[in-house]
Amino acid sequence: SQQGEEDPQALSIQEGENATMNCSYKTSINNLQWYRQNSGRGLVHLILIRSNEREKHSGRLRVTLDTSKKSSSLLITASRAADTASYFCATALNAGGTSYGKLTFGQGTILTVHP
Amino acid sequence: GAGVSQSPSNKVTEKGKDVELRCDPISGHTALYWYRQSLGQGLEFLIYFQGNSAPDKSGLPSDRFSAERTGGSVSTLTIQRTQQEDSAVYLCASSLARGAGNQPQHFGDGTRLSIL
Repeated sequence: SQQGEEDPQALSIQEGENATMNCSYKTSINNLQWYRQNSGRGLVHLILIRSNEREKHSGRLRVTLDTSKKSSSLLITASRAADTASYFCATALNAGGTSYGKLTFGQGTILTVHP
Repeated sequence: GAGVSQSPSNKVTEKGKDVELRCDPISGHTALYWYRQSLGQGLEFLIYFQGNSAPDKSGLPSDRFSAERTGGSVSTLTIQRTQQEDSAVYLCASSLARGAGNQPQHFGDGTRLSIL
């Protein structure tokens, strides 16, 4: 079963606009990761945020984490047509203080950026 | 450098046949993961290998599924007596160390399995 719930399921925007995707989870986590998947390809790691962090940036990506609400958001600024892909959040569970190997993925958000 | 390599990229087989899927992880990565991606279930964890430790098989859906990792490198996922519900994309990933939260996972492009 999927721990993460993402919304929206699909997002369609114009180039240059910002895209925000949200993820909620249920159990205590060690950290949360965001991945991107282009059609027919594997997942590509974008960014990792630890449970003791609240915000993290990487280029045009900004991720926030609110452990009290068990939620995270991914913001892509100044979107490009090449950002068109599916975006997944994934959680690594906190098992006795260590970060456990397997990831639990959300259902994903399909982002379409129109040129 | 080479990424995670999976073969075959596509596999079509008849119900009841056995299939074997292969994963070549990134050199030096000690952790290897198998996931399954299907329309109805999203991305599901199947099995996790870390070095010489016993694998975590908690995600394997039935005893028809098995996996091994030889020499700490290449892994094969075997599905016996395939059923139509086994149709999915099977993704392999590897990472540098135990603890997915501490290291990003690097994914192959998957094997698209279709059971007729």
